[in-house]
Amino acid sequence: EAQVTQNPRYLITVTGKKLTVTCSQNMNHEYMSWYRQDPGLGLRQIYYSMNVEVTDKGDVPEGYKVSRKEKRNFPLILESPSPNQTSLYFCASSPSRTGGYEQYFGPGTRLTVT
Amino acid sequence: AQSVTQLGSHVSVSEGALVLLRCNYSSSVPPYLFWYVQYPNQGLQLLLKYTSAATLVKGINGFEAEFKKSETSFHLTKPSAHMSDAAEYFCAVIRIQGAQKLVFGQGTRLTINP
Repeated sequence: EAQVTQNPRYLITVTGKKLTVTCSQNMNHEYMSWYRQDPGLGLRQIYYSMNVEVTDKGDVPEGYKVSRKEKRNFPLILESPSPNQTSLYFCASSPSRTGGYEQYFGPGTRLTVT
Repeated sequence: AQSVTQLGSHVSVSEGALVLLRCNYSSSVPPYLFWYVQYPNQGLQLLLKYTSAATLVKGINGFEAEFKKSETSFHLTKPSAHMSDAAEYFCAVIRIQGAQKLVFGQGTRLTINP
C-alpha cells in the first residue's frame, strides 16, 4: 500500500530533551515536507526537501532540523524542544510536477512538550 | 503571494442536504488548487484537485468543486450530505516554484445533523 508513515504517533516529552520524529514514504517521491498544525493558525510548513541531500527552510523552521540521506526518509529533529513546539506534526510527500503537485500526508504526530 | 480564504469556520447541515464549503484564492499565476479532508485523529486526505484542466473537478466521496477564475473561487459541494462527511475541510493553493509549499485556508468544520 502506498503510504506515508510517521513515528511515533503520540509523544510527551520534557523541555530540552532531544527527540526525532521519523517519516518514511514508499512511493519513490522526490519531494517531502514537514508541516505543523496549530488551532487558529492552520498548517504551516517547517522544512522541505526537493531530493536527497537537498533541504530548505519553510515558514517556521526555528528550533527544528531535518536531514534527507535517503529518498524515502525525512526525519524531523528537535534538538532542544520547548513548550511552544507542542503541536500536531504532519509529514507529506509528492511526486511534484509529474503528479500534479499532489501531496500525500502521513497520519500525524501529536507532540506535547512540558 | 498566494493565499486562500475559507468563509465560515463551522458549517452545519442536515443529513441529505446540500453541502457548500466556500474557498476564495489569491494567486498571481494560474493556481493549482486542492481540497483536503481531515477526519478526527487522522491525517489529511486529498478530496480533489484543480490543475488547469476542466473547471469542474470531481473528487472522492461524491464531492466536486468548480474553479471560477472571474470570482477567484473554488467552492466545494456535495448534493446530499451523509453523516460520514463530518470532518474538517481545508482548501489549499500551491506555489509550484521553489518550496512547493501548500498554503492552507483556516479550515471549515462540517457538522451533519441527523
